[in-house]
Amino acid sequence: DQQVKQNSPSLSVQEGRISILNCDYTNSMFDYFLWYKKYPAEGPTFLISISSIKDKNEDGRFTVFLNKSAKHLSLHIVPSQPGDSAVYFCAASGSGGSNYKLTFGKGTLLTVNP
Amino acid sequence: DVKVTQSSRYLVKRTGEKVFLECVQDMDHENMFWYRQDPGLGLRLIYFSYDVKMKEKGDIPEGYSVSREKKERFSLILESASTNQTSMYLCASSHNPGLAGDTQYFGPGTRLTVL
Repeated sequence: DQQVKQNSPSLSVQEGRISILNCDYTNSMFDYFLWYKKYPAEGPTFLISISSIKDKNEDGRFTVFLNKSAKHLSLHIVPSQPGDSAVYFCAASGSGGSNYKLTFGKGTLLTVNP
Repeated sequence: DVKVTQSSRYLVKRTGEKVFLECVQDMDHENMFWYRQDPGLGLRLIYFSYDVKMKEKGDIPEGYSVSREKKERFSLILESASTNQTSMYLCASSHNPGLAGDTQYFGPGTRLTVL
């Protein structure tokens, strides 16, 4: 039972264009969402997060959008750069007793071509 | 900056050996976590600890145990290593600010191979 789904295992984008990574969730108790970036042989690096009281959060080239009614979030990278090539994980946590637990998606491999 | 360190980047062990993976964080975080990452499966939670000497099972605890004797250190133990425990092991820590949401910070990972 996968509560956080990243349905695209991979995505290829041209340098300078927009990258859009998608994530769907099924658990309505999730109220905090994060994106992590991971290079091979390294640990995931926190990128950006959003609380369920917002529908958008922006940090430089990275913007996360949250659509609670659709249980969908997306990460936009504009403009994309070759150094953005990595695996991106979507993660979610919920309020309540185990709100410090994160549930991860399976990841999307982003390749930005020069 | 939060720093999470893991004792080894690469480890090779034999089937049946007892294996210790160590993790240390320097930000006085209450929570610490152990995950494994396998291709196509994402990150799966093995165990986590929300305080010294406190622990809870994650989604895949079988074959593993943990120890947290000091706040900054969280150890993962494979009592008798098996080949299906070959994986990338990732440690993380977080502050746990309650309902406001929490961000986990990861170490560099340990690539364990069991022969």
